[in-house]
Amino acid sequence: DSGVTQTPKHLITATGQRVTLRCSPRSGDLSVYWYQQSLDQGLQFLIQYYNGEERAKGNILERFSAQQFPDLHSELNLSSLELGDSALYFCASSVTTGNLYGYTFGSGTRLTVV
Amino acid sequence: QKEVEQDPGPLSVPEGAIVSLNCTYSNSAFQYFMWYRQYSRKGPELLMYTYSSGNKEDGRFTAQVDKSSKYISLFIRDSQPSDSATYLCAMSAIGGATNKLIFGTGTLLAVQP
Repeated sequence: DSGVTQTPKHLITATGQRVTLRCSPRSGDLSVYWYQQSLDQGLQFLIQYYNGEERAKGNILERFSAQQFPDLHSELNLSSLELGDSALYFCASSVTTGNLYGYTFGSGTRLTVV
Repeated sequence: QKEVEQDPGPLSVPEGAIVSLNCTYSNSAFQYFMWYRQYSRKGPELLMYTYSSGNKEDGRFTAQVDKSSKYISLFIRDSQPSDSATYLCAMSAIGGATNKLIFGTGTLLAVQP
């Protein structure tokens, strides 16, 4: 167990729907990162939060949004889902925003859009 | 062109072989280099990290960085079936308000007993 908890583990939904993925960071970690992993694109950085504030945005679609709450858990909201959104979504956490030696990943949420 | 290129494999080797995994990159600002291991249906776990150029050894694993060639490698000695996984290289630039990691697509390694 890495200490980063992601729920749900699996999600199957229809096109056009909206889902929420949840992440609880490792105890003491203030930064949360969201990544999308697909077979052809690998791990793609979506967005980072640090202590409740957005710090960086990557290749995140406008249909996607995220937030980090006062208790430091984070949610990634995906709306108007398309078949191409099917992927593994990972959350990772680190102690600070300046930790350049990698961070700890959760086990991911496997999203299937049908 | 992707910032980080990695041969997806798959790479199949017999138990005990020496494995060489590689990544090339285009962004000369990258200073921190990492290797992650990802087992099937699991999240990536940090295996090794290095700063700037040079070698780092940890047990059966050796990481090398050649910044002049923009090329990094991970060597696994005496490979074991338990090493079968996807290996992802990752790198980050120094400074800034964020330390987002840029990942390669991963190399799938199978060590045959």
